[in-house]
Amino acid sequence: GENVEQHPSTLSVQEGDSAVIKCTYSDSASNYFPWYKQELGKRPQLIIDIRSNVGEKKDQRIAVTLNKTAKHFSLHITETQPEDSAVYFCAASYDTGRRALTFGSGTRLQVQP
Amino acid sequence: NAGVMQNPRHLVRRRGQEARLRCSPMKGHSHVYWYRQLPEEGLKFMVYLQKENIIDESGMPKERFSAEFPKEGPSILRIQQVVRGDSAAYFCASSPSSYNEQFFGPGTRLTVL
Repeated sequence: GENVEQHPSTLSVQEGDSAVIKCTYSDSASNYFPWYKQELGKRPQLIIDIRSNVGEKKDQRIAVTLNKTAKHFSLHITETQPEDSAVYFCAASYDTGRRALTFGSGTRLQVQP
Repeated sequence: NAGVMQNPRHLVRRRGQEARLRCSPMKGHSHVYWYRQLPEEGLKFMVYLQKENIIDESGMPKERFSAEFPKEGPSILRIQQVVRGDSAAYFCASSPSSYNEQFFGPGTRLTVL
């Protein structure tokens, strides 16, 4: 089955700096890669996603890149703010067939004011 | 458009009792997924359902756990004869039929005494 590895497990940055979180996946058939943000005690919230026919996607301060050949994808957050502090999870799945999300282990991001 | 609803939000059971967790998907969503999150860990897939059908239960423990999504009413995750190891947050997600964007409910936090 699919296996998703996520690094780093913790990340501390100064407010205004950029943050990068990286994930690798094992199943070359995976074609959908979402990122979720989870604050303490809250639900995971979808913040951005990318499909395998696209190499990069941006939404304001957030961007995701995908390298299908190397089977890795990354989340980039620019101009970080204290409210970006949370746990971020990457995931992989198919759009059809096996739609279950396989999650990475999470990255705890701390933005220091 | 109301989001994914789950109830109860908190559930306390003694060992050996049954736990029933309910999930109402977003309007227009016909796909429901259940995930379990242990403290300080990532989300693990349990089961994927469409109306009246279990599509993928590969993540569900073979014993004591069952799920349904009837024609009318919410999806139910049922845990019989709960044990302390079942203590976790159980999240439900839903998606539309065409794409695999999964939106999560607020979760049910199960505590087994």
